[in-house]
Amino acid sequence: DGGITQSPKYLFRKEGQNVTLSCEQNLNHDAMYWYRQDPGQGLRLIYYSQIVNDFQKGDIAEGYSVSREKKESFPLTVTSAQKNPTAFYLCASSLTGRNEQFFGPGTRLTVL
Amino acid sequence: AQSVTQLDSQVPVFEEAPVELRCNYSSSVSVYLFWYVQYPNQGLQLLLKYLSGSTLVESINGFEAEFNKSQTSFHLRKPSVHISDTAEYFCAVTSDSNYQLIWGAGTKLIIKP
Repeated sequence: DGGITQSPKYLFRKEGQNVTLSCEQNLNHDAMYWYRQDPGQGLRLIYYSQIVNDFQKGDIAEGYSVSREKKESFPLTVTSAQKNPTAFYLCASSLTGRNEQFFGPGTRLTVL
Repeated sequence: AQSVTQLDSQVPVFEEAPVELRCNYSSSVSVYLFWYVQYPNQGLQLLLKYLSGSTLVESINGFEAEFNKSQTSFHLRKPSVHISDTAEYFCAVTSDSNYQLIWGAGTKLIIKP
């Protein structure tokens, strides 16, 4: 089955620790995205990548980092510089930047 | 810059009643419009999309949306809702000049028995 996987579904970390969220897709999509979702605020774009080895900051990139070494993978690292990291994180991909996006199931990160 | 406004943060409606979720966008260029649905603790799923052609688009589970260029709207409607439609619905827009989806804040559809 083609799709997007995110792991883990739930993640707990202590304050001050970096944590990496996984996102893998087998849809052969060029573009991949990371969003953050907080209650009542909709989706906010963290980073996006339109091609391997290239990515751009979204609206709320501070405290986050990404890499795009392979077409299928777009991991997100939440660093200790992110002031309020507890949130629901969604990864998405699309054929190009102009097409509909397909979403993974999300990872809920809780920083204690 | 493009923007998307979903006028209602929550819409309560009785089961089997009709519902309309409103979405307005701001753009002076040709746009592509999407409605996504998110069930609790899950990712988003594409419900329907308008790319070109007929201004009325339908989903497989009874929802429809109409692209109205003059009113810059893409409202989502269903003639009779079911308890299983309880979810949050997001409107999004993109265009040929933009490589990102611009998202509305979402509307929670609350079905009352």
